[in-house]
Amino acid sequence: AQTVTQSQPEMSVQEAETVTLSCTYDTSENNYYLFWYKQPPSRQMILVIRQEAYKQQNATENRFSVNFQKAAKSFSLKISDSQLGDTAMYFCAFMKPHSGGGADGLTFGKGTHLIIQP
Amino acid sequence: DTGVSQNPRHKITKRGQNVTFRCDPISEHNRLYWYRQTLGQGPEFLTYFQNEAQLEKSRLLSDRFSAERPKGSFSTLEIQRTEQGDSAMYLCASSPQHLYNEQFFGPGTRLTVL
Repeated sequence: AQTVTQSQPEMSVQEAETVTLSCTYDTSENNYYLFWYKQPPSRQMILVIRQEAYKQQNATENRFSVNFQKAAKSFSLKISDSQLGDTAMYFCAFMKPHSGGGADGLTFGKGTHLIIQP
Repeated sequence: DTGVSQNPRHKITKRGQNVTFRCDPISEHNRLYWYRQTLGQGPEFLTYFQNEAQLEKSRLLSDRFSAERPKGSFSTLEIQRTEQGDSAMYLCASSPQHLYNEQFFGPGTRLTVL
């Protein structure tokens, strides 16, 4: 079974600063996907960024980038030029694909509550 | 709005009652997932459908829980004889055939069992 650990329950930074959220995971699989999801207050979960384990290049999406260290089983999210709208719960998640297509459900960490201060 | 929709958004019930939630996935998404999220925790996987077939169930899905997706479109999640520990947010997500590694989440149904 896979486990995902987010060791920072809450973080607070000033607007425009850069912040890094940590995530570690445990798996015996060699091929898998890692995700960061954002859950704003009282709003639905949206995908921020996705990383495929077989790709060495770190994924980036505008102000969001990851530092994927496969050997260390570490998957951190960096948010540059943080904005007030980035305030949300951030969840790290793991997915194991099936060989025939499809995938297991996502395994989530407990989340990090990120607060962007004006 | 063509996103995942869930109804009702909130449900308050008394212990021992049965409840049913509905999820309408994004049109033509053949995969549908149910998750449960308790306060202060990340979502936990409950079950997964590919079209109308229920392919996987978590050990969290006790025999009081049943899920269906009769025509491969919308899905229902029923909880029988609710207990206070069932109080949680129930999330539905869907994904398309060609992009199974991206799940689109609905707004959730918040269940409170008194």
